[in-house]
Amino acid sequence: RKEVEQDPGPFNVPEGATVAFNCTYSNSASQSFFWYRQDCRKEPKLLMSVYSSGNEDGRFTAQLNRASQYISLLIRDSKLSDSATYLCVVPPYGGSQGNLIFGKGTKLSVKP
Amino acid sequence: NAGVTQTPKFQVLKTGQSMTLQCAQDMNHNSMYWYRQDPGMGLRLIYYSASEGTTDKGEVPNGYNVSRLNKREFSLRLESAAPSQTSVYFCASRRTGNTIYFGEGSWLTVV
Repeated sequence: RKEVEQDPGPFNVPEGATVAFNCTYSNSASQSFFWYRQDCRKEPKLLMSVYSSGNEDGRFTAQLNRASQYISLLIRDSKLSDSATYLCVVPPYGGSQGNLIFGKGTKLSVKP
Repeated sequence: NAGVTQTPKFQVLKTGQSMTLQCAQDMNHNSMYWYRQDPGMGLRLIYYSASEGTTDKGEVPNGYNVSRLNKREFSLRLESAAPSQTSVYFCASRRTGNTIYFGEGSWLTVV
């Protein structure tokens, strides 16, 4: 298994739809995870952190399944402005200073 | 709030030319990073610096050098640019265990 894997998409959904992305990781010792959002020709920005079983912020829910080693991002009531690429980020074993491992991203396109 | 500032934003180089990408952060972060991002490849780490005075190779260090000038600044140098180094370069910084913050990116084309 690759260190971090994401379905590249694109996911094309209508406004108002619910969409979910998964991200699988190989290092079972990883403790914290992140979802970043990247708009076209922009830098990645933090969307959500996932430290335990999950995290919810408005229409966005991130969940962690340690047994199966994946994290998911659920977006409810999709908006046009949600169109972006969503990157899964996993710290290295031991966390702290080392290299963060980025997935290649899942592209979401929300259509009117 | 400036955050992570990198320059230049756009640059066109001829093959064999050299240049330095500058990066500075004002968040007092220990760790700084240089990534490149290519279509279909995702973000790939070139070099990182866990603290002032230390630097380590990442996934794709060949053709690059870095300098951690002080806690704030981390520069990336291309000594002899090649067309394969055409990419978008992102500088980033992070406090231990916390969120990583990116600069706005530098678009480099090598012709």
